[in-house]
Amino acid sequence: QVQLVESGGGVVQPGRSLRLSCAASGFTFSSYVMHWVRQVPGKGLEWVADIWHDGSNIYYADSVKGRFTISRDNSKKTLYLQMNSLRDEDTAVYYCARDPTSPVVNWYFDLWGRGTLVTVSS
Amino acid sequence: EIVLTQSPGTLSLSPGERATLSCRASQSVNSIYLAWYQFKPGQAPRLLIYGASSRATGIPDRFSASGSGTDFTLTIARLEPEDFAVYHCQQYGSSPLTFGGGTKVEIK
Repeated sequence: QVQLVESGGGVVQPGRSLRLSCAASGFTFSSYVMHWVRQVPGKGLEWVADIWHDGSNIYYADSVKGRFTISRDNSKKTLYLQMNSLRDEDTAVYYCARDPTSPVVNWYFDLWGRGTLVTVSS
Repeated sequence: EIVLTQSPGTLSLSPGERATLSCRASQSVNSIYLAWYQFKPGQAPRLLIYGASSRATGIPDRFSASGSGTDFTLTIARLEPEDFAVYHCQQYGSSPLTFGGGTKVEIK
């Protein structure tokens, strides 16, 4: 079954760290660009970061640059998001998403996970 | 950055009716770089449309989309019960890519 399953969300205090994971199955994970996208509950969506199929290129939204690190382990078919120095405004549902055409970056998303909720609160 | 404004915020319709959703951009979007997604609580979001008017794999033909420049439309020809959801547009022609705030299609 073609799917993405996020994990690692939870409640964390401001300034602390959290690592999200996204397990892929049913497709050749190592061939695709992967993204993280977040949605503040009840509000809009924001692209967070992406990583090329081989990890050779990585891009971040300005709002997370220097604090978040995207990475992948193709042998484990898993995408990661290391989130450091978390702020209240990072509270959101975090989705991993697949870029549709391997290995070109299209910047839209043809496969999403169900998301994992991160709550930053003291 | 390009701001996408979706209207209406909420659309109250009955099954079988036609839904017309609008996505307006603050500046011109390359027409092939607009997508539409369907969001349902507890489910993975689903890509409906890419390239402004191309249906994604497995999307029924009651979903159609059109538009260019700053005005884009998603149309659901005859609402099925499973179509009641939130719909977001996204432009990916300019950096940073941005999303609209969404239109909720609810059962009247």
